Amino acid sequence: QKEVEQDPGPLSVPEGAIVSLNCTYSNSAFQYFMWYRQYSRKGPELLMYTYSSGNKEDGRFTAQVDKSSKYISLFIRDSQPSDSATYLCAMSGNNDMRFGAGTRLTVKP
Amino acid sequence: NAGVMQNPRHLVRRRGQEARLRCSPVKGHSHVYWYRQLPEEGLKFMVYLQKENIIDESGMPKERFSAEFPKEGPSILRIQQVVRGDSAAYFCASSRRQANSYNEQFFGPGTRLTVL
Repeated sequence: QKEVEQDPGPLSVPEGAIVSLNCTYSNSAFQYFMWYRQYSRKGPELLMYTYSSGNKEDGRFTAQVDKSSKYISLFIRDSQPSDSATYLCAMSGNNDMRFGAGTRLTVKP
Repeated sequence: NAGVMQNPRHLVRRRGQEARLRCSPVKGHSHVYWYRQLPEEGLKFMVYLQKENIIDESGMPKERFSAEFPKEGPSILRIQQVVRGDSAAYFCASSRRQANSYNEQFFGPGTRLTVL
């Protein structure tokens, strides 16, 4: 079993749709939960991070963490074609960071 | 402020040759991480280094792969006697502090290694 599981997609939605991206994990030592966005042929860039359980909102993006279920989510409201990218969840605890496989998202105009 | 720099951006090697990948972290960052990315497999952690020390190399193959982060100069990921299965994108990231508390890892643009 992988430490971090993420559905690779691909996921295709129409412009304006609400997108839900999810990851599950097995290591209860993880305390910091991140979402990275990676455009084609580029390095990942941090989108949002959350400490422990709870919600965090930033514009059209909302990150949720449920440590009891070992489940994290990223919601994108009013999705735009410019949101088309691969989204990777990441988690860190003691001296490490582990990434999910990434979900490839396409938002069609 | 320059971000993480990696070179070369593209590297082509024949089987059996050596590949040397370089990473210059963000100025002031003393922690460097190397990751490998294969299509549909996300980022796989390889090694975590501080200046002159390897902190965690649990993700790096025991043979043919080595990494260093000298006191002066860039971090180097070295792959000896490359095989076709080494073809991948290799990303370097740097951070100001170690990863047991939140601190953002900044990623470079990656080096795409192709082994013929």
